[in-house]
Formats: sequence, structure tokens, C-alpha cells
Amino acid sequence: KAGVTQTPRYLIKTRGQQVTLSCSPISGHRSVSWYQQTPGQGLQFLFEYFSETQRNKGNFPGRFSGRQFSNSRSEMNVSTLELGDSALYLCASSHEQGARADTQYFGPGTRLTVL
Amino acid sequence: AQKVTQAQTEISVVEKEDVTLDCVYETRDTTYYLFWYKQPPSGELVFLIRRNSFDEQNEISGRYSWNFQKSTSSFNFTITASQVVDSAVYFCALSDADMDTGRRALTFGSGTRLQVQP
Repeated sequence: KAGVTQTPRYLIKTRGQQVTLSCSPISGHRSVSWYQQTPGQGLQFLFEYFSETQRNKGNFPGRFSGRQFSNSRSEMNVSTLELGDSALYLCASSHEQGARADTQYFGPGTRLTVL
Repeated sequence: AQKVTQAQTEISVVEKEDVTLDCVYETRDTTYYLFWYKQPPSGELVFLIRRNSFDEQNEISGRYSWNFQKSTSSFNFTITASQVVDSAVYFCALSDADMDTGRRALTFGSGTRLQVQP
């Protein structure tokens, strides 16, 4: 079974631009979560989607948004990019929302650099 | 609030040494899950193990073993006879439900960078 895939793998943007990152979960997984990883803040939860609905959201400004499609694929968008948004963005999928035993499986990440 | 502490920022060992990575967690939830992930230089987080709060039985998988102790809120990870390929950043994580919202999220520790020298 193919793992979680993320595109693009690398991205360079300038301040003020917006960016869209894409994630395809493992086949059959219905929950998709996004995380931001930076050297200073570590791994931080952005949001989780299930059945095209945002189930949970971390403590990030409204410039960070996401969505999930009917095939469980997900996108996240960051508008008005700031230098501090430079990070590795990781997507994770799990089989079923609500089951606390869910294990999240991660993709390779998208490394975003904001100049 | 949920919290995971990995006090060891970086550990360096020589190949074949045993090494233990510490993880201490805080949660108000009575049902929770603990995880360990490995992050090699490629960046992808690789799942290693999951334990639930009701199962304190230690687990061994090859050279890897995990010691879960609810009394001390710890979930430590030991690599026996370390190898160069074990070099990576290791993250401990906690999945529980927020007491106020009931929503579940994965909280990560800050990670421990393990360097295994040949």
C-alpha cells in the first residue's frame, strides 16, 4: 500500500505570497492532519480533517487554512507568507476519526522557504 | 494541559552501545496513547510503536524495547547494540483528548537527536 504523499517536496516563496501544499493519504485513511516543524518551535499541530470537515485546529493564525476533498486528499494554504513560516510541513493520515488508537502515518513533508 | 518532555536534546554513542531515550508526559485524560517516531535526515516521521494507557506491559521488537511506567508518567525507549543506521531524531508523542473541547490531537516532545558513531 502506498504511503502518504506530499507535493511539492520543496518550495521557495517570497514574503507576502501565498502557497498551497497538497497531501494524499494512505488509501482507505479518512483523517488527515497537518503539522509544522521548525527548529525553534518543534512539531506543532495545525489542523485535522475528516470527511471534508475540520475536526480540530491548533493555535495558528487565520492565514493558515486547509480543506479536505471527498477522496480524502487534503490541501493546506498559507496566505500572506512571513519569514517565520519557513518550515517543514508534514501531513499525516490515520484510518478513522475518533478512535484514540489511531496511529498517524506521516508523509515526507514539504519544505517551505520564505525569502 | 498535555505536555511531553524529552530532556535529552542530543546523545552521542559509539556503535554497539546501548542507549535509552527518556520521555515524560503530562495529561489529565485517563485514556491516552503514547507513540515513538523516528525522523531520519530525509525528514519523514517513521512510526515505531504505540501503547495505550491501560497496557503497561513492556515491549521488545528486535533491538528496540520500550518501558512504560504510569507511576512516573514515563515511556522510555532503549536501543540495544546501536548501529550507525539508528542515527536520527526520535520523537515521543502523546494522543489524548482535551478536557475542555474533547478534541484529540497529537502532542510531540522536542525530540532527541541520536548520533551513533562507527
